[in-house]
Amino acid sequence: EAQVTQNPRYLITVTGKKLTVTCSQNMNHEYMSWYRQDPGLGLRQIYYSMNVEVTDKGDVPEGYKVSRKEKRNFPLILESPSPNQTSLYFCASSLRSGAADTQYFGPGTRLTVL
Amino acid sequence: GQNIDQPTEMTATEGAIVQINCTYQTSGFNGLFWYQQHAGEAPTFLSYNVLDGLEEKGRFSSFLSRSKGYSYLLLKELQMKDSASYLCAVRDLSYNTDKLIFGTGTRLQVFP
Repeated sequence: EAQVTQNPRYLITVTGKKLTVTCSQNMNHEYMSWYRQDPGLGLRQIYYSMNVEVTDKGDVPEGYKVSRKEKRNFPLILESPSPNQTSLYFCASSLRSGAADTQYFGPGTRLTVL
Repeated sequence: GQNIDQPTEMTATEGAIVQINCTYQTSGFNGLFWYQQHAGEAPTFLSYNVLDGLEEKGRFSSFLSRSKGYSYLLLKELQMKDSASYLCAVRDLSYNTDKLIFGTGTRLQVFP
């Protein structure tokens, strides 16, 4: 089944404890992206990647890192999480390089930083 | 800068027609998407407009006017399952980037 998977789905952690949220797609998509969704603010793009080894900042990249070593994986790294990073996170992918194509979203990761 | 506006909430009756508007301001506009998001779920694609005009897909249609920075999503023959948030998103190519900028979403409630 064609899909975008994220792990974990739910995570409660403490300030400063490094964490990684994994994202994987099995559709051979070139474009991958991370978003956070907060009430009243909507979906905001954190980072995106147009292909392997090509990543760029979205609108809210501060406090996050990403890497794209393989086409299928695009992990989101929080080196030192803070409470203001408590949010619902979505990974998404699209077929072609660039944001013109339909984005397929993963199921979301609900992160709480205490 | 970038700005996308859409109403926060709308209500409608089953079987009716509803129009959800979206206005945007961005220097690098290159297409507009509409996504549907049910509570607690991921967004799913509804439509994409890059040229002016109306795109129809079953009960859903989307319109774009680039000169006015305006789009709308039209939902016909509303069903209870259409109760969801509708997200307008603009592709922005300004400053040599390729980003997707989302509005805050319109929460639609359909009543029997």
